[in-house]
Amino acid sequence: SAVISQKPSRDICQRGTSLTIQCQVDSQVTMMFWYRQQPGQSLTLIATANQGSEATYESGFVIDKFPISRPNLTFSTLTVSNMSPEDSSIYLCSVEDRDRETFGSGTRLTVV
Amino acid sequence: DAKTTQPTSMDCAEGRAANLPCNHSTISGNEYVYWYRQIHSQGPQYIIHGLKNNETNEMASLIITEDRKSSTLILPHATLRDTAVYYCIVRVGGSQGNLIFGKGTKLSVKP
Repeated sequence: SAVISQKPSRDICQRGTSLTIQCQVDSQVTMMFWYRQQPGQSLTLIATANQGSEATYESGFVIDKFPISRPNLTFSTLTVSNMSPEDSSIYLCSVEDRDRETFGSGTRLTVV
Repeated sequence: DAKTTQPTSMDCAEGRAANLPCNHSTISGNEYVYWYRQIHSQGPQYIIHGLKNNETNEMASLIITEDRKSSTLILPHATLRDTAVYYCIVRVGGSQGNLIFGKGTKLSVKP
């Protein structure tokens, strides 16, 4: 199965700043996904990122707050913009890997 | 919203089989049942999936009822490392649809 490297693994950020999370996969994949997991909650899909096209955002998530780049078939970034303490969560990327999704290890973000 | 219902938590003795139930009474004919687990502070890990036949791999077995309205994930010999939240997910649109995570079952394997 695909191997995903997600960076950083954790960060503590000041409110009002932005953080860019990187997701690198060891094989070419068409579809990449970004999820958020708030403390004590389940995973919620933020957006789907296909190479060469704009990301598709789920209800409740907007591009200005969570801009996504997908420059090639092995890499994507998610930026959390103008952060507030409510953005403290684990952010995970995943890839479509044959007939299943494979997940990265996540980025634990704390906003102070 | 997730289309599945799972118990909030379960306990299992180490070395015994863990049987995790899932109800998905509104499943459609082309929707698969997927199981993932999430060990604390890690990304979800794929376990197994199926459409209507029972499936087995090196991690677990998946038993789907004939009417496909429920399923059971079986870990045949649970270990302490199997302690995790287990998610049963009906994947919309067959194998290419999005995963919609519910709350899952917190399985605690006890010595």
